[in-house]
Amino acid sequence: NAGVTQTPKFQVLKTGQSMTLQCAQDMNHNSMYWYRQDPGMGLRLIYYSASEGTTDKGEVPNGYNVSRLNKREFSLRLESAAPSQTSVYFCASHSQRGANTDTQYFGPGTRLTVL
Amino acid sequence: RKEVEQDPGPFNVPEGATVAFNCTYSNSASQSFFWYRQDCRKEPKLLMSVYSSGNEDGRFTAQLNRASQYISLLIRDSKLSDSATYLCVVNIRTGGFKTIFGAGTRLFVKA
Repeated sequence: NAGVTQTPKFQVLKTGQSMTLQCAQDMNHNSMYWYRQDPGMGLRLIYYSASEGTTDKGEVPNGYNVSRLNKREFSLRLESAAPSQTSVYFCASHSQRGANTDTQYFGPGTRLTVL
Repeated sequence: RKEVEQDPGPFNVPEGATVAFNCTYSNSASQSFFWYRQDCRKEPKLLMSVYSSGNEDGRFTAQLNRASQYISLLIRDSKLSDSATYLCVVNIRTGGFKTIFGAGTRLFVKA
């Protein structure tokens, strides 16, 4: 049981390049999320998918697109990377077994630098 | 005002000390509460859920005060390995579902 996996772990892009961050979970969770984390800013939600076939914007969606390919996979695409998108990106999936067990499980993160 | 606010720290404590972290939330529709731990350059991981009755897990005690919209985490007998950032997390249900992460409190435990 791998939990939440993300690829790649590290990436360096030039301004204007595109790339897709991959995320997969094997816990049969319905909900999946993409966050970015910048120093001193905490986690900020980019996009989420409450269930297969649905996606919604979070707090900071501009410059990103997502695809919920199936229940397991949720990808994040940067169409034209900008230096402001230099960050650590975390994917998470969500267990909704009850109010006090509404926990999110995170992948190891992708460290992205845009030059 | 942020929906979830924490002391930014850092807290610098010696081994064996007791340290308390505080967190306040502003949305009265907040339903469930958690503390996560994040090590440097790693992903956040669930430390413990927080219940109104309070709960304890070894050296860690979490408390929730719904009337004051306040959550706390107490760490007793601090270990070097407790050095990390502690995130206060709140789930809000108002028709939809939203998770809000605090910015985190950094803890350094010194020998």
